[in-house]
Amino acid sequence: KAGVTQTPRYLIKTRGQQVTLSCSPISGHRSVSWYQQTPGQGLQFLFEYFSETQRNKGNFPGRFSGRQFSNSRSEMNVSTLELGDSALYLCASSSGASGNTEAFFGQGTRLTVV
Amino acid sequence: ILNVEQSPQSLHVQEGDSTNFTCSFPSSNFYALHWYRWETAKSPEALFVMTLNGDEKKKGRISATLNTKEGYSYLYIKGSQPEDSATYLCAGEDSNYQLIWGAGTKLIIKP
Repeated sequence: KAGVTQTPRYLIKTRGQQVTLSCSPISGHRSVSWYQQTPGQGLQFLFEYFSETQRNKGNFPGRFSGRQFSNSRSEMNVSTLELGDSALYLCASSSGASGNTEAFFGQGTRLTVV
Repeated sequence: ILNVEQSPQSLHVQEGDSTNFTCSFPSSNFYALHWYRWETAKSPEALFVMTLNGDEKKKGRISATLNTKEGYSYLYIKGSQPEDSATYLCAGEDSNYQLIWGAGTKLIIKP
């Protein structure tokens, strides 16, 4: 079955712009989590959506938002981009219905803010 | 789970040697401990998920143990090979099904 698909793979934006990233989870998975990885940092959790509802949220400013559609596809939006938002953004899907489940990651979107 | 820490941050190991590294986590509100391997230019891939104190899991030359009472897990690699070079991530899962990630241990195998 198809894996987790993230689009686009690479993106260059200018400070002050906004950006939308997309994640299509594995078929049947209802949970999608978003992560940010910057050089020298581990994975920083942004938020998790389950059945179209934000279930968990990390410690990021309100410029970072997301949503999930009825088909479980999720989008992440960053408004008023800052240079520090340059990072690899990963999404992961899991069944989410109970804990202790494996997360499957997409290949990520590399965002560069100039 | 408030904080997950991994040590060391990086590790150079001679090919053929065995190695291990640590993931520590607060033992309160613990649900499960995940280990992932993240190779360069690829996505993180799951290695193990453990829930019970004393759990030990094995996949080929890689194994992991879990101590939920003292809040740590060890990952062992026996007879390191160049293909083991990767960043190894651990994540604690709490009762809200949220994964809290450590910063990873970067393993470099020297031929």
